[in-house]
Amino acid sequence: QVQLVESGGGVVQPGRSLRLSCSASGFTFSSYGMHWVRQAPGKGLEWVAIISNDGSNTYSGDSVKGRFTISRDNSMNTVYLHMNSLRPEDTAVYYCAKDPTSATRDGHYLDYWGQGTLVTVSS
Amino acid sequence: DIQMTQSPSTLSASEGDRVTITCRASQSISRWLAWYQQKPGKAPKVLIYKASSLEGGVPSRFSGSGSGTEFTLTISSLQPDDFATYYCQQYDRYPYTFGQGTKLEIK
Repeated sequence: QVQLVESGGGVVQPGRSLRLSCSASGFTFSSYGMHWVRQAPGKGLEWVAIISNDGSNTYSGDSVKGRFTISRDNSMNTVYLHMNSLRPEDTAVYYCAKDPTSATRDGHYLDYWGQGTLVTVSS
Repeated sequence: DIQMTQSPSTLSASEGDRVTITCRASQSISRWLAWYQQKPGKAPKVLIYKASSLEGGVPSRFSGSGSGTEFTLTISSLQPDDFATYYCQQYDRYPYTFGQGTKLEIK
């Protein structure tokens, strides 16, 4: 069965960096696009970024563009979210999620989600 | 960016009721819309994709309809497990965007 397990969350000071990881199993990781979505405490869902199956195409949301970078290592079945210049408003649970397609040109919906990892940006 | 607006924000209903949640897009998204269910402390789960296609394993009491800018999610007969928050999401163009959510509460 598909499993996505996020890690790397924690408390970080404003302006610092953090790298989230998402380890995948139960499917052919290199065939599918992957997403990151976040949810601030008590708030709704915000789509963050997508990466195609081979890593050749990425896209990020406006609020993180230029600060966050999505990447993947298909040999490790892992997708990453590199977060720089963190702000208090980046505080959220971060979910990784699988796309049902390769997302080579465009992504689709999110068919499997991990359990999330909490990032708290505070001094 | 495409704005997604859900209504109502909160819905009170009883077991057995038929309920409908609406999602409106700020511009046409064809049928590139998904619906998710989220329970407290849990990850979202996809219910419907491409506006009306039921994800595998999702009960048939859930259905979706619409195209262009207006979409609906209908639950034909509410079960206790259905009380949760529901989100729509457009995947017509980047950045993908979610509605603000509809909390379905027990009346």
